[in-house]
This record gives sequence, C-alpha cells and structure tokens, in this order.
Amino acid sequence: SQKIEQNSEALNIQEGKTATLTCNYTNYSPAYLQWYRQDPGRGPVFLLLIRENEKEKRKERLKVTFDTTLKQSLFHITASQPADSATYLCALLDTGFQKLVFGTGTRLLVSP
Amino acid sequence: NAGVTQTPKFQVLKTGQSMTLQCAQDMNHNSMYWYRQDPGMGLRLIYYSASEGTTDKGEVPNGYNVSRLNKREFSLRLESAAPSQTSVYFCASSEFGSGIQQGYGYTFGSGTRLTVV
Repeated sequence: SQKIEQNSEALNIQEGKTATLTCNYTNYSPAYLQWYRQDPGRGPVFLLLIRENEKEKRKERLKVTFDTTLKQSLFHITASQPADSATYLCALLDTGFQKLVFGTGTRLLVSP
Repeated sequence: NAGVTQTPKFQVLKTGQSMTLQCAQDMNHNSMYWYRQDPGMGLRLIYYSASEGTTDKGEVPNGYNVSRLNKREFSLRLESAAPSQTSVYFCASSEFGSGIQQGYGYTFGSGTRLTVV
C-alpha cells in the first residue's frame, strides 16, 4: 500500500542548531514533493516544492533534498530559532492525480 | 487579503443533524480541495474539484457531499452527522499545472473545528 512516513516523535533541538526532518515514502512515484509548516490551530502553510529531477532546493534558511532512489526527502532548517517551532508536513503530488497526499507531520521544538 | 476563507470556524452538531461548511478563495485558482485532519492520521482528502464544474472523491468521501458553486466557492455538506466526523476540516486551493510547475503549493484556510455529539 502507499505510505508516507514522517517521524511521529517530536524533534527537540537547541537554538542555532540545524534541524533535519525526514520524509520516507513507498509505492509512490511523485513528480513533486512539498513541505508545509503548520502552527497549532492554523492551516498548513506552503514552504518549498522540489521536483523529481531536482536533488536539492534552498530558500533562505531552508533546504530540501529529494532522493527518488531512496524514496526519501530531508528537510533542513539551519540556524534554527524558537519561532521555527511548529509541525512540518511532507506531501507528495503525483502527476497522475490532481491532488496532494500528506504525511502525518513531525513536530519541531526549538529551545532558546 | 488574498487567501482561502472558511466558515464557520467552530461548530457543534448533534448526531443526525446536517450542515454545510463554506469555502471561498480569491486567488482565481482552478482547483479546490476539502481535507480533514485527525490526531495521528494527518490530512486526508475528502473531495476535490480540479476545475469549475467537476468534483471527484478523495480518500475518505463517505458521509460527505460537495458542491463547486462557481470558481471561487466549494462547499462541503454533512447530510447526517456522526461522531466519527468530529474533526478539523480544511479547505485548500491551488493552480494545478502551471502553478505547480512554477513552484507554488496549496493555499489552506484556517479550518473549521467540528464536534459531533
């Protein structure tokens, strides 16, 4: 069956360190992979999109990698800040379907 | 402010009651979606509308109906609410195709918290 897996345990790191979140998927052939941020009581907010033919994408302190052989994406936040504390969602878009499928998300807690 | 607007923000229903969740977007997007979010389950697609005049079932459509009223509005109806439909409901919109290729994602509303007792 198709599955998108993100670490359900919260990731706790200290301010200034790099946070790395993992997204693994099985039985998908995604053309695009996206990352979203969700704060409590709010809707997800789009952060980054990476295409299947791209290995890495950067935006300010954010970096996403996409390895279609390993079926894995890594999401990095460098120089993390307490304001980065949130739940981060991985999502896949298969060009065969006009819809996005989400992982369950990983909660990030950045301590001062 | 551009975005996706959902109403109501909170709702409590009794089992068997019906209601409609409203969603409107002002970004001229072609595609709209309804998701529900439950603890430990993540976001699951209920229904989607790839373009005005079309609707399709998602992963968990049972117990729901939708209407794409026009390009801006996409409503979700619960005909006979059940406790299993207690959840947070999110509406989203996107410009599939050119938008995705240009690197844009989905825009979500702030959600409707629904409790069925």
